[in-house]
Amino acid sequence: DTGVSQDPRHKITKRGQNVTFRCDPISEHNRLYWYRQTLGQGPEFLTYFQNEAQLEKSRLLSDRFSAERPKGSFSTLEIQRTEQGDSAMYLCASTGQGGTDTQYFGPGTRLTVL
Amino acid sequence: ILNVEQSPQSLHVQEGDSTNFTCSFPSSNFYALHWYRWETAKSPEALFVMTLNGDEKKKGRISATLNTKEGYSYLYIKGSQPEDSATYLCAPQTGANNLFFGTGTRLTVIP
Repeated sequence: DTGVSQDPRHKITKRGQNVTFRCDPISEHNRLYWYRQTLGQGPEFLTYFQNEAQLEKSRLLSDRFSAERPKGSFSTLEIQRTEQGDSAMYLCASTGQGGTDTQYFGPGTRLTVL
Repeated sequence: ILNVEQSPQSLHVQEGDSTNFTCSFPSSNFYALHWYRWETAKSPEALFVMTLNGDEKKKGRISATLNTKEGYSYLYIKGSQPEDSATYLCAPQTGANNLFFGTGTRLTVIP
């Protein structure tokens, strides 16, 4: 399968714990995006990378959130000191050139913070 | 933040019925409009990317139109089938990067 993959698919954690999610984009894609979807809402943009450079961050991305894409391939999203409000579906997408190119999404990681 | 509205919020139709949904968005700073279909436990699937006023796109029984001047897009499904049951999301794009998603229309096709 050459689509976007995400790991884990589900994560349950206790409030205050740190969690890390991984996204593997389509191999030739140089742009990678993170989105978050909460109940009843559409996905909301968090951040995006072009190769290894993080070029844009949403105001939704608090100081407890950090994303990396060290070699311009896979990306990780870490949430420190999780809060119940962080419970959401975290989606990753990738695209080749940006612009009006289609963003291809992974299946998401569903985070539940108890 | 972009104010994107999708209607209806949810919809039940009988198998074989045709249906349509609406996506409304601000017409200023328009760059592109994306439609996705998202089935439970799967990845959102890209349906269309539309850029020009008056654009019409078609994929099988699904088609979409775009009016950038008044800020809306319609998605049509002809002869709905149970496998069409999903949430349909529209996402306007104002620049070369991130998408602004609506809350979606949840379609259920009753066999």
